[in-house]
Amino acid sequence: EVQLVESGGGLVQPGGSLRISCAASGFTFSSYWMHWVRQGPGKGLVWVSRINSDGSTSSYADSVKGRFTTSRDTAKNVLYLQMNSLRAEDTAVYYCVRVPIGASGLVIDHWGQGTLVTVSS
Amino acid sequence: QSALTQPASVSGSPGQSITISCTGSSSNIGGSYLVSWYQHHPGKAPKLLIYEAIKRPSGLSNRFSGSKSGNTASLTISGLQAEDEADYYCCSYATGSIYVFGTGTKVTVL
Repeated sequence: EVQLVESGGGLVQPGGSLRISCAASGFTFSSYWMHWVRQGPGKGLVWVSRINSDGSTSSYADSVKGRFTTSRDTAKNVLYLQMNSLRAEDTAVYYCVRVPIGASGLVIDHWGQGTLVTVSS
Repeated sequence: QSALTQPASVSGSPGQSITISCTGSSSNIGGSYLVSWYQHHPGKAPKLLIYEAIKRPSGLSNRFSGSKSGNTASLTISGLQAEDEADYYCCSYATGSIYVFGTGTKVTVL
């Protein structure tokens, strides 16, 4: 069974940093592109970033570019999102999601349960 | 990239058809066939309805259909049912190898 389990969320002050993780199991993690999607309180879904299967390339939404970094440890089957210079508007539930091999576009077949990041003083 | 524009709400009676629009620009929808649609019931994981603008995942009801013209993509739900009441989001590949979601549409079944 495919499982994506996020962790590491919490309360952080504006300007602070936080790293959240996503532990993957039940599939060959190293074969899949992975993405982060977030949803602020009472707001819609927002694509945050993606990383290719071997971790060599990544891309980011303009709103987080230069502040967030996505990485993966294929030996541990873990996806990470390092978030720096956090702002109040980054407050959201962050979801780790999987896109099937060979899929074109953001074709998400599995979602994690999400981890809440709250940026507030 | 700004969010794609969707109507905030759409409603219909059971059995009717409704269409949700998703408007972008030439740097996203207009320049790509990589448009997907998701249905989201609060508290549950979003569900893929449409990918590559017009394709349905295997096993999904044919009551859901997608189309694209120029900078606008659309999702049509025919034979509206009570369980279709949910939030719906479009998503498009965009210039710079990024993705952008729509603002979301709340569908109400009257």
